[in-house]
Amino acid sequence: DAGVTQSPTHLIKTRGQQVTLRCSPKSGHDTVSWYQQALGQGPQFIFQYYEEEERQRGNFPDRFSGHQFPNYSSELNVNALLLGDSALYLCASSRGSGPNTEAFFGQGTRLTVV
Amino acid sequence: AQKVTQAQTEISVVEKEDVTLDCVYETRDTTYYLFWYKQPPSGELVFLIRRNSFDEQNEISGRYSWNFQKSTSSFNFTITASQVVDSAVYFCALRGNTGFQKLVFGTGTRLLVSP
Repeated sequence: DAGVTQSPTHLIKTRGQQVTLRCSPKSGHDTVSWYQQALGQGPQFIFQYYEEEERQRGNFPDRFSGHQFPNYSSELNVNALLLGDSALYLCASSRGSGPNTEAFFGQGTRLTVV
Repeated sequence: AQKVTQAQTEISVVEKEDVTLDCVYETRDTTYYLFWYKQPPSGELVFLIRRNSFDEQNEISGRYSWNFQKSTSSFNFTITASQVVDSAVYFCALRGNTGFQKLVFGTGTRLLVSP
């Protein structure tokens, strides 16, 4: 049973470019959340998708957008990249969206903006 | 607003020592959920435990134990007889009680266990 898988694992982009990160949830999971983890910090919530809709959003600008597909996989898009967007981007999946559900995390995508 | 504080940035111990990682949280929710995650160098967050706010019973799982004290808003994590494989960054996290709630993480504690 595959866990949460993210691609790519590493990415280097130039300031001003756009990037798309991908996430496949654990089998049986229908909710996907994205987090940004800057170096030496804890993960910060970006947004959550359930039934192909964005259900909740953290304090991130509109440059950060996402999508969930019918098979529950998800994409995170970041436009007009800034140096400060360099971070580990983590995807988490869960079965349902209730507060008591356990979130399983992928290994992350390390984005470097130069 | 919800907040999690992990005051210990880094802890170094020698193998077989016991170590306690502190976590203090703030929330206005009467029902909430607390979590601990382990992040090895590979980057993946590994789930360790979930605790409901209405269940203050302490829990033990092998060498791991958790002490939840609502009166002091703390949810501390103890590793008994630490091992080198325990070296990682440990995060405490909090989630409120309504649907679609985000996890609020602390800044993490880096644990270094030397042989």
